[in-house]
Amino acid sequence: NAGVTQTPKFQVLKTGQSMTLQCAQDMNHNSMYWYRQDPGMGLRLIYYSASEGTTDKGEVPNGYNVSRLNKREFSLRLESAAPSQTSVYFCASDRDFEKSQPQHFGDGTRLSIL
Amino acid sequence: DQQVKQNSPSLSVQEGRISILNCDYTNSMFDYFLWYKKYPAEGPTFLISISSIKDKNEDGRFTVFLNKSAKHLSLHIVPSQPGDSAVYFCAAPNAGNMLTFGGGTRLMVKP
Repeated sequence: NAGVTQTPKFQVLKTGQSMTLQCAQDMNHNSMYWYRQDPGMGLRLIYYSASEGTTDKGEVPNGYNVSRLNKREFSLRLESAAPSQTSVYFCASDRDFEKSQPQHFGDGTRLSIL
Repeated sequence: DQQVKQNSPSLSVQEGRISILNCDYTNSMFDYFLWYKKYPAEGPTFLISISSIKDKNEDGRFTVFLNKSAKHLSLHIVPSQPGDSAVYFCAAPNAGNMLTFGGGTRLMVKP
């Protein structure tokens, strides 16, 4: 009954270090998303993958890269971490990108960059 | 340019009373709206949605109202319970199913 699983749950990095956040879903969903949550700003979309083999930029893609490894897994990479990337990162998935529907979220990765 | 806004950062309500959470939007192309509930250290969980062809959708203690002419929706929780204390986000899909979120309202239900 896992749904969307994110690893790690917490991470502290130094400025300039790199990091990959992992996300996996077991619901056979086609679409996956990465959001970041900052105080007072809700969740903002970083990147999304409408289907296996495709990725596209969201609202705030600068400083990030993504990989849709297979249908289950969608990773987010910070190549050179900056303090402005301190945030809580959420992965989400849904069945069909073209259809308005609820997304299912993981429990987040809390990332601090010093 | 925030297309979805929740102007009340926090709301405090007595147990058993009604909680009303508000959300405004600017994009008239939005045709589907969702409310998510978020507890600390957890991900958002879907609560209730409404299509623009309706003006009301009800699910147990939760009712969402949509006023398209005012570009406003509200979530009513009746009766409020201490377990409802959480942050509530309204959201709308923009181009495909990319969600645009409001900033959230922290609801505190006092016993």
